[in-house]
Amino acid sequence: SQTIHQWPATLVQPVGSPLSLECTVEGTSNPNLYWYRQAAGRGLQLLFYSVGIGQISSEVPQNLSASRPQDRQFILSSKKLLLSDSGFYLCAWSVPASEQFFGPGTRLTVL
Amino acid sequence: AQSVAQPEDQVNVAEGNPLTVKCTYSVSGNPYLFWYVQYPNRGLQFLLKYITGDNLVKGSYGFEAEFNKSQTSFHLKKPSALVSDSALYFCAVHGSGNTGKLIFGQGTTLQVKP
Repeated sequence: SQTIHQWPATLVQPVGSPLSLECTVEGTSNPNLYWYRQAAGRGLQLLFYSVGIGQISSEVPQNLSASRPQDRQFILSSKKLLLSDSGFYLCAWSVPASEQFFGPGTRLTVL
Repeated sequence: AQSVAQPEDQVNVAEGNPLTVKCTYSVSGNPYLFWYVQYPNRGLQFLLKYITGDNLVKGSYGFEAEFNKSQTSFHLKKPSALVSDSALYFCAVHGSGNTGKLIFGQGTTLQVKP
């Protein structure tokens, strides 16, 4: 069966520090991968998606970047965090035209 | 443009009563529709989907949803609510192309009171 992992579960970082969040998927090949941010327990904002290794599409201009160095690994990064980057970050995977499966999330607090 | 609307920020229901969480959509072509549930500080869990076939779709934890093409709706239902059903519920529609992107509604908080 397929599983998706995210780490860390929680993170507290100072403004201006770098960020690296990691997501890995097991039990499937060539998945579509997604990064979302959720603010205040409400709506989801799609940040990036990837349909293959090295292929990254950005949905909104911002202080973040994403990379997919391996088929089942998706990394969310920032060189310098802003207060507004605080939120709940969710990674998800899917096969085309099917449901997405979400990881457990990372709670990021920028102070 | 494709969109999803969940008109209610919160739905309150007594335990044992039936519940409905509303969702309407706007898409070009045939819609692929999904429902997810999210408990506090957790990722989203997939409940059910409509791709084609029967308009009444059954999913996890006793939930079901009815696809209504004429009303462009996909309401989530459960015959008898449990306190443990209290959570945030999201409706989503599959976007165009093969990226697998989903367009999510803003979410509805379901509060089931004992």
